[in-house]
Amino acid sequence: AQSVTQLGSHVSVSEGALVLLRCNYSSSVPPYLFWYVQYPNQGLQLLLKYTSAATLVKGINGFEAEFKKSETSFHLTKPSAHMSDAAEYFCAVKGGFKTIFGAGTRLFVKA
Amino acid sequence: DTGVSQDPRHKITKRGQNVTFRCDPISEHNRLYWYRQTLGQGPEFLTYFQNEAQLEKSRLLSDRFSAERPKGSFSTLEIQRTEQGDSAMYLCASSLTASATNEKLFFGSGTQLSVL
Repeated sequence: AQSVTQLGSHVSVSEGALVLLRCNYSSSVPPYLFWYVQYPNQGLQLLLKYTSAATLVKGINGFEAEFKKSETSFHLTKPSAHMSDAAEYFCAVKGGFKTIFGAGTRLFVKA
Repeated sequence: DTGVSQDPRHKITKRGQNVTFRCDPISEHNRLYWYRQTLGQGPEFLTYFQNEAQLEKSRLLSDRFSAERPKGSFSTLEIQRTEQGDSAMYLCASSLTASATNEKLFFGSGTQLSVL
């Protein structure tokens, strides 16, 4: 069965600093992985997805993620945090027709 | 494309009452999902429709929960005899894709249920 684990329920960075949100996956088959973001009072929206075409995936708002099979990881990064990046981020894996989500990491951005 | 709409945004009910939520997916989207999200957790899969057919129902769902999607358009989720443990955000998502693995979900803003 597929699953994802997000390391750290809360991450705090200063504006302009590197953002690193960690996600490890477990899958018996080549995984299809996603990052979603949830801004306050809004629905989840897709940031980026990995579907085996390239290991480095670029998404919206300057985010990217790298698929590392040897580490079973799919960490999300952004070189320079902006105040508007404050939100909750969910890593997810496709399990058949279901999308299975991690518990989420809340990102705080300090001025 | 007006996005996925959910109604109501908030629902407060007393234990034992029945509640019904509605989801209007993006027009032409053939897949519709219901998820439940509690504080500090990610969305948990509840059920899934391909057009009007309900293809899967999570073991998380007791017999008090029922979902429909008549005519493959909007969907309703009903909870009978609500319990305090049903308090959560209920999310609806829709998609249009030929490949399940490449699927992009579009989420509504959710219905926040509070059972007193």
